[in-house]
Amino acid sequence: EAGVAQSPRYKIIEKRQSVAFWCNPISGHATLYWYQQILGQGPKLLIQFQNNGVVDDSQLPKDRFSAERLKGVDSTLKIQPAKLEDSAVYLCASSRAPKDEQYFGPGTRLTVT
Amino acid sequence: GESVGLHLPTLSVQEGDNSIINCAYSNSASDYFIWYKQESGKGPQFIIDIRSNMDKRQGQRVTVLLNKTVKHLSLQIAATQPGDSAVYFCAEKGAGNKLTFGGGTRVLVKP
Repeated sequence: EAGVAQSPRYKIIEKRQSVAFWCNPISGHATLYWYQQILGQGPKLLIQFQNNGVVDDSQLPKDRFSAERLKGVDSTLKIQPAKLEDSAVYLCASSRAPKDEQYFGPGTRLTVT
Repeated sequence: GESVGLHLPTLSVQEGDNSIINCAYSNSASDYFIWYKQESGKGPQFIIDIRSNMDKRQGQRVTVLLNKTVKHLSLQIAATQPGDSAVYFCAEKGAGNKLTFGGGTRVLVKP
């Protein structure tokens, strides 16, 4: 079974620019998560989707971050405008249902200069 | 590959020895705990889990111990191998099945 796919793997942008990340979950997984992992810390949940609906976005900085999962499969996470403190690895994960094991993608490392 | 974290607590262990990684959790209402392994350039990978109504669970070369009295979780790795070198995170699952990760511990296996 193919794992969670993410692209790009690396991105370098200047502050105030915008950036988008893409995630393709494991086939059949209804639940999709975006996490932010700052260097030296554990992942922090940004947003959780159940199919194409948002379940939890309480820790998403909505003034600059947005995410969508329009058809209930792939998802994109966007940052506009980026700040220096957004430098982190952005991880996508998926699970069959919220109670089930989460499978993580390799992440996208974002560097904001 | 890129480093997961540069300033994590580090456990250096000789190949073949046992490793013990500790974690303190904060939410006494959490009913499910998971240990993850994260290698450089990869996402976290599930190792073993334990429910709050248990105090010990064993897997292949790994054992997780849960002490709810002091809100402490530990992961024991038997006969540590070079492939065990990674950053290890504990995570708790609480309301709404939300995962909250703790700080990580880097394990370095010396040959």
